[in-house]
Amino acid sequence: AQKVTQAQTEISVVEKEDVTLDCVYETRDTTYYLFWYKQPPSGELVFLIRRNSFDEQNEISGRYSWNFQKSTSSFNFTITASQVVDSAVYFCALTDLGSSYKLIFGSGTRLLVRP
Amino acid sequence: DTGVSQNPRHKITKRGQNVTFRCDPISEHNRLYWYRQTLGQGPEFLTYFQNEAQLEKSRLLSDRFSAERPKGSFSTLEIQRTEQGDSAMYLCASSPYTGRSSYEQYFGPGTRLTVT
Repeated sequence: AQKVTQAQTEISVVEKEDVTLDCVYETRDTTYYLFWYKQPPSGELVFLIRRNSFDEQNEISGRYSWNFQKSTSSFNFTITASQVVDSAVYFCALTDLGSSYKLIFGSGTRLLVRP
Repeated sequence: DTGVSQNPRHKITKRGQNVTFRCDPISEHNRLYWYRQTLGQGPEFLTYFQNEAQLEKSRLLSDRFSAERPKGSFSTLEIQRTEQGDSAMYLCASSPYTGRSSYEQYFGPGTRLTVT
């Protein structure tokens, strides 16, 4: 069965610190897609990134970077120089490549960035 | 492109009443999904439409739940005889069927249901 585990329930950092959010996944598919979403206090899930299973190149977008390692089934997310506006719940998700491509979400990591 | 919209944003109802939620996906997105999110958890899949066809339903979707997408555009999710356990955030997402973004789902703001 497919599963996404985000072991860190809550992380608290001081502004400007770097922080890494962990994501470990399980799947028997050889092709799959991984995602990160941000859910700020307003509640709307905001798409951040999609990663294909056949592309292990790490990606950087501004202060955000993602480290995908198939060998350890991990897709970790790092925020560099965190800001108060980064405070949110972050979800890692895996696509089920059945007919629907539905998302399997982890339980989320709540990030609190203190000024 | 105005994004996915959902109405109402909040709904408070008494146990046993029926409720209906509406989702308007991003125009030209063929795929439409409903998810349910309870406090402290990630969203859980409920059902999937490709155009007007409902192609997958989760076992979470009991007989009291029904969803439609009559013309392949907006969708409705109805819950009959609501129970307190139905209290949750109901999220709608849409995705294009083809193209570079075909696996990316874009979510609406959700409808928060409270059953008293």
